[in-house]
Amino acid sequence: DQQVKQNSPSLSVQEGRISILNCDYTNSMFDYFLWYKKYPAEGPTFLISISSIKDKNEDGRFTVFLNKSAKHLSLHIVPSQPGDSAVYFCAASPSLYNQGGKLIFGQGTELSVKP
Amino acid sequence: ETGVTQTPRHLVMGMTNKKSLKCEQHLGHNAMYWYKQSAKKPLELMFVYNFKEQTENNSVPSRFSPECPNSSHLFLHLHTLQPEDSALYLCASSQGGSYNSPLHFGNGTRLTVT
Repeated sequence: DQQVKQNSPSLSVQEGRISILNCDYTNSMFDYFLWYKKYPAEGPTFLISISSIKDKNEDGRFTVFLNKSAKHLSLHIVPSQPGDSAVYFCAASPSLYNQGGKLIFGQGTELSVKP
Repeated sequence: ETGVTQTPRHLVMGMTNKKSLKCEQHLGHNAMYWYKQSAKKPLELMFVYNFKEQTENNSVPSRFSPECPNSSHLFLHLHTLQPEDSALYLCASSQGGSYNSPLHFGNGTRLTVT
């Protein structure tokens, strides 16, 4: 049973508009969430994270929102740029302290930003 | 260029071969990991090493054998693999036990078992 789900395998957005990527989780013990971005032929790179004590974390064009009651998080990219086209992975951890890197990943959402 | 280097980038091997994947991190981290990404599936944790000691084996078959000689190097020895083991194998490192230390991944080895 998958504990972290990204139900949209792909998303297409026009350059300059907002991209919203969604992620749902089932385990209420998760308290630290991360987003990774992956380009073809490269490994995933860390993008942004949020702990369960917050409901929002912002870094430049990227904002992650956490709704603990709904067990849902989302990544907003504003404005979207063609270079943002990649696969985005949501991941969850049972601890703020990276104890063994026990991240549970979603399946990924492929974002395509059209010029 | 990432701080985590994996070699080879691509590997094709027969089911009776023995091969090894290599990973090296230049970030001064003390924890290293092997992850597997199969087609259309999420990344799956395979092994974790903290300060060269294996602290996690996520029910991985014995045909995968990890080795961590020091905190900077990690190997994955492969023998008698099956075609379903074909996948992208990713190495990662982090400052294990530290607050808010994300994983840093290498670019992976694309393995094909024929």
